Amino acid sequence: GNSVTQMEGPVTLSEEAFLTINCTYTATGYPSLFWYVQYPGEGLQLLLKATKADDKGSNKGFEATYRKETTSFHLEKGSVQVSDSAVYFCALRYQAGTALIFGKGTTLSVSS
Amino acid sequence: GAVVSQHPSRVICKSGTSVKIECRSLDFQATTMFWYRQFPKKSLMLMATSNEGSKATYEQGVEKDKFLINHASLTLSTLTVTSAHPEDSSFYICSASYKTGTETQYFGPGTRLLVL
Repeated sequence: GNSVTQMEGPVTLSEEAFLTINCTYTATGYPSLFWYVQYPGEGLQLLLKATKADDKGSNKGFEATYRKETTSFHLEKGSVQVSDSAVYFCALRYQAGTALIFGKGTTLSVSS
Repeated sequence: GAVVSQHPSRVICKSGTSVKIECRSLDFQATTMFWYRQFPKKSLMLMATSNEGSKATYEQGVEKDKFLINHASLTLSTLTVTSAHPEDSSFYICSASYKTGTETQYFGPGTRLLVL
């Protein structure tokens, strides 16, 4: 069936460090891929998305590229900030209008 | 942007009682709402999909008689945990999309349920 696997963390970084959070997926067909972020005490927010192979989603300095050949959608940021501390969820949707399938989430903690 | 609220944000109840959680889309009409459950250090698990005016579609393993979902209007869906037990303690999150086929889901802040 469809599933998402992401590194569990926690990931602890110093400010301005490079961030990578790995995400791979298993799905039939061509799903859309998403990264959601959950800041402490808040609901999930869409960070970025990609709907087809080789698409790159980007937002707030974060990027992820839809790699069909490796079934991956790794999240990267060149220079993290303390304000990026949150839980990050990779997700897929195999058909428009259906529910998201989430990975387990990765906690990122950035210190100054 | 689109806002989804949940009420209450936190609830503590005695075993055997029922608890109702509301999910509202504040500035858009949600044709579809989803209910998820999140366990500690676990992913969000989809419980059911709710379309306005029709019965909810439950995921395998989710007891529909225990987790009653009502989507009576385009801005409100409710989840009622009936005869709650300690194992029902969890974090419940709803999300909404404002038209069929849209790619974006908007999430509520979640409701923490503790059953004593």
